Amino acid sequence: QVTLKESGPTLVKPTQTLTLTCTFSGFSLSTSGVAVGWIRQPPGKALEWLALIYWDDDKRYSPSLKSRLTITKDTSENQVVLTMTNMDPVDTATYYCAHFDWLLEAFDIWGQGTMVTVSS
Amino acid sequence: QSVLTQPPSVSAAPGQKVTISCSGSSSNFGDNFVSWYQQFPGTAPKLLIYDNNKRPSGIPDRFSGSKSGTSATLDITGLQTGDEADYYCGTWDSSLSAGEFGGGTKLTVL
Repeated sequence: QVTLKESGPTLVKPTQTLTLTCTFSGFSLSTSGVAVGWIRQPPGKALEWLALIYWDDDKRYSPSLKSRLTITKDTSENQVVLTMTNMDPVDTATYYCAHFDWLLEAFDIWGQGTMVTVSS
Repeated sequence: QSVLTQPPSVSAAPGQKVTISCSGSSSNFGDNFVSWYQQFPGTAPKLLIYDNNKRPSGIPDRFSGSKSGTSATLDITGLQTGDEADYYCGTWDSSLSAGEFGGGTKLTVL
């Protein structure tokens, strides 16, 4: 059974760096065709695709946020970490990590999400 | 503002059929598959459709998807009150090398 769970701070101050960890089980990020992505959703708004890391360490970022995002993986720990620099109140959102199946070209399993508020 | 365009809301009566559209461009829909997600308030999205028209195990055949050119549609037949949710389309943009989601459509079953 594939599961993912996000963890990190619930509150960050403006200009700080956010670090979120996605801990997963039921699959390995060293398996060909597997990827893990991050998606966020501001309160009452739409989903926003953020970043994706593949089994071969290839990485993709949202063009509009690329300068602020870094995605990394720790295959031995079954974790994917997303860092976002220079946080702003507009970054307040629920952040989800999800398993991406390369063949399906879709996020087939999602974590429960973690709410992050940016406020001084 | 989302690159993929969806109607903000749709509505229909129980038992009826509803169609949700998703409009893109050649850089995203051209060579890439479309997926659809269902999201209830306060919960994570759930994959409904992948590869334009395939359903994951456990998804009823009342849900179907299609893609033609730079548009995709999600059809829901035999509407139930339990189908009331937000629906999002998603795809890959080959020119941006990044994924994209639509703005979401709120389905109301009257």
